[in-house]
Formats: sequence, C-alpha cells, structure tokens
Amino acid sequence: GESVGLHLPTLSVQEGDNSIINCAYSNSASDYFIWYKQESGKGPQFIIDIRSNMDKRQGQRVTVLLNKTVKHLSLQIAATQPGDSAVYFCAEDRPLNGGSQGNLIFGKGTKLSVKP
Amino acid sequence: DVKVTQSSRYLVKRTGEKVFLECVQDMDHENMFWYRQDPGLGLRLIYFSYDVKMKEKGDIPEGYSVSREKKERFSLILESASTNQTSMYLCASSSMGLNWEFFGPGTRLTVL
Repeated sequence: GESVGLHLPTLSVQEGDNSIINCAYSNSASDYFIWYKQESGKGPQFIIDIRSNMDKRQGQRVTVLLNKTVKHLSLQIAATQPGDSAVYFCAEDRPLNGGSQGNLIFGKGTKLSVKP
Repeated sequence: DVKVTQSSRYLVKRTGEKVFLECVQDMDHENMFWYRQDPGLGLRLIYFSYDVKMKEKGDIPEGYSVSREKKERFSLILESASTNQTSMYLCASSSMGLNWEFFGPGTRLTVL
C-alpha cells in the first residue's frame, strides 16, 4: 500500500549545526508535501510545505527539498537551536474522490535532539 | 490567535465505558479530522468530516463513531472503551483549498 516513511527514527545534532531530516514516500502521484514539528505534550505544528512542481522551498531557517525521481523529501534546519528539539513528521496529501483536498498521510516521525 | 481546542488533555476511563472526546475550532474551517497517535505507528486517521452532519471513515474507524452537528465542533465517540484504545487522540481542522491541517493539543486517553 501507499506509505510515507522516514529513514532514521532519531537524530542528534550539536547546537549551531545544520540538521537534515529525511523522508521517503511511495505514492508517485502525490503532489503536495508538508513538514510538521511536534514538541513534547503538544499537537503537530505546520512548518513548511511544497508542491510537486517545485524542488526546493525556503522558509525561516528551514528548507524543504523534493526529489521526485527517487521519491524523497528532506527538511533542512539551519543553525539548529535547543528549541528545535522535537519530533518532525513529513506528510503527503491524499486527495479523495478526485477532489482538490483530502487528508494527510503521515510518516512515523524523526526525533531531533539538540545538544548544547 | 486561531485555535483548535480539545475538551480534555488527560482522561482515564474504564473498559466498557462510553467516552466522548470533543474538539472545537474557531477558524470557520469546513474540514475536521480525528487521529490517534501511537509510538512507532505515527498518526492514523480515524474519521473525518467535510461538512456539518457529514462523516467519512478514515483508516482505522473500528470501535469509534463521530458526530458533527455544528461546523465548529467535531466529537469522537468510543461506544465501549477497550484497553487497546489507550492512545493520544489528536483533532485537526482545515479549510477548503488549504491542504495542511491545524492540530489541537491532543487528549491522552488511558483505558483501564
């Protein structure tokens, strides 16, 4: 079946370093992808999204890269800070009934730990 | 500040009890969703709704039902709680044309 998954369950980085969190997806027809951040005890928060007609999108300290050839998505966090410690999920949009919106299929998450 | 709120952060119930989890959003969103989150399994969709009084099954609807009588409120019902329904329950909402979802803080339900 279709799935969105992650290469690594945990990632530990030094404060100030750049972080790269990876995600593999299996549905080649997916056209929209999202990264969420979930801090302990909170619900997931939207970070950044990207459509399949793009291969890169930048936000504040974050960049999402999309490689459709190998069905791979990554989130890059520049100058990682202690406040970035969280679980990061990728998600793909699952259109329903041919409509323009659907619901999301989530990966299992990567836990990012930032060492001071 | 826009919000999705859930009625309880923590809930402890006994096997066989009927459990109601309430979710309210103040963003006038058409779409609302219920997920459960378990270690190693990520977020799994239980039910969703695209309109008042409308509901659709997600990936794991067994043992659950939902109600959406008003646009801003989406309730998840466990008709007879079982221990395997111990989990974190997350509510989310989104608007038409906006693919990503706003999430509530979650309800951690323990069924004894």
